[in-house]
Amino acid sequence: QKEVEQNSGPLSVPEGAIASLNCTYSDRVSQSFFWYRQYSGKSPELIMSIYSNGDKEDGRFTAQLNKASQYVSLLIRDSQPSDSATYLCAVNIGSNYKLTFGKGTLLTVNP
Amino acid sequence: DVKVTQSSRYLVKRTGEKVFLECVQDMDHENMFWYRQDPGLGLRLIYFSYDVKMKEKGDIPEGYSVSREKKERFSLILESASTNQTSMYLCASSRPGQGDYGYTFGSGTRLTVV
Repeated sequence: QKEVEQNSGPLSVPEGAIASLNCTYSDRVSQSFFWYRQYSGKSPELIMSIYSNGDKEDGRFTAQLNKASQYVSLLIRDSQPSDSATYLCAVNIGSNYKLTFGKGTLLTVNP
Repeated sequence: DVKVTQSSRYLVKRTGEKVFLECVQDMDHENMFWYRQDPGLGLRLIYFSYDVKMKEKGDIPEGYSVSREKKERFSLILESASTNQTSMYLCASSRPGQGDYGYTFGSGTRLTVV
């Protein structure tokens, strides 16, 4: 079974701290990796994509990819209460266009 | 602003009814998807389509069918609704091929079958 795994949380961090969200995947040939944010009762929203090993930064968000370890992470710097949401990791597994999602990590940022 | 529009935000149907969930995208995307999302189970793929009139089963197709007669529209059909199909249904679309083909999701339809 090809899978994407995340810690379900909840992950609780104080306002202003760095939140670190982790994801592992089972398929070595996966090429595309995404992070989605989902507020309670809303649909997922794409916040980051990464395709190459290393770091990719976008504002307060940094995605990190290590294909050898089959590991992708999302760092949120200067966390804000508005970052409180479930974060979904998505990976293309066995397909050029179909994504497999992790079950998500619930992040709570405390004021 | 690009959009994926789902026809209903909330829907209540009776057991045994035939239910149609509609999804329309205005981004000229080839790929369209239907997922359901349940607490503790995450997003599970029901069906997807990579072209007009083409469809493929996802991980949980039983009890569902789909229709894609036009590129912009992808319909999910519950042939005979059952209470275990009570869920949040999410439609998504994407562009095929290499590069950034992350999904764009619709706002979701919360279906309750009573």
